[in-house]
Amino acid sequence: GNSVTQMEGPVTLSEEAFLTINCTYTATGYPSLFWYVQYPGEGLQLLLKATKADDKGSNKGFEATYRKETTSFHLEKGSVQVSDSAVYFCAQSGGTSYGKLTFGQGTILTVHP
Amino acid sequence: EAGVTQFPSHSVIEKGQTVTLRCDPISGHDNLYWYRRVMGKEIKFLLHFVKESKQDESGMPNNRFLAERTGGTYSTLKVQPAELEDSGVYFCASSQSPPIGNTIYFGEGSWLTVV
Repeated sequence: GNSVTQMEGPVTLSEEAFLTINCTYTATGYPSLFWYVQYPGEGLQLLLKATKADDKGSNKGFEATYRKETTSFHLEKGSVQVSDSAVYFCAQSGGTSYGKLTFGQGTILTVHP
Repeated sequence: EAGVTQFPSHSVIEKGQTVTLRCDPISGHDNLYWYRRVMGKEIKFLLHFVKESKQDESGMPNNRFLAERTGGTYSTLKVQPAELEDSGVYFCASSQSPPIGNTIYFGEGSWLTVV
């Protein structure tokens, strides 16, 4: 079945450091891929997405590229801020059911000043 | 425009009691989904409504969970009787039909603690 494997956390960085959170997936067919973020005390928000191979999703300085050959969708940011501290979830949607998402286990990111 | 709203935001109940969670989707969204995250594990799909019909309930864990969406507007998720392992956060999400840009919108979640 479909699955998403996410880099285990927690991840602790200093402000302005480079961030990578690894995400790989297994799927039949060609899913859409997403990164969701949950800030403290808030709900899940869509951070970025990519719907086909080689697409790059980007938002708020974060980027992720849909790599079919490595079945990966790693999240990167060149310079993190304290306000980026949150839980990050990688997810995929399967087939024709766009709303049936399969999530990774989440990665807690803490950024210190 | 209001987003997906969920009520209550937090609930603490005793084992064996009943809890009902409510979700109001974004106005005009036919698709409504329930997910939950238990004990710091991954977020898992529970079920999907299209209007008032259950399209997919493959993720419902057992018959203690009952979801309804009468009239195709808001939805409720009832847990009866609640068990300790039901503790976690329950997310509701909604989307247009078909989802534009493959995007679904999540609520802030209902945090359930069973003691």
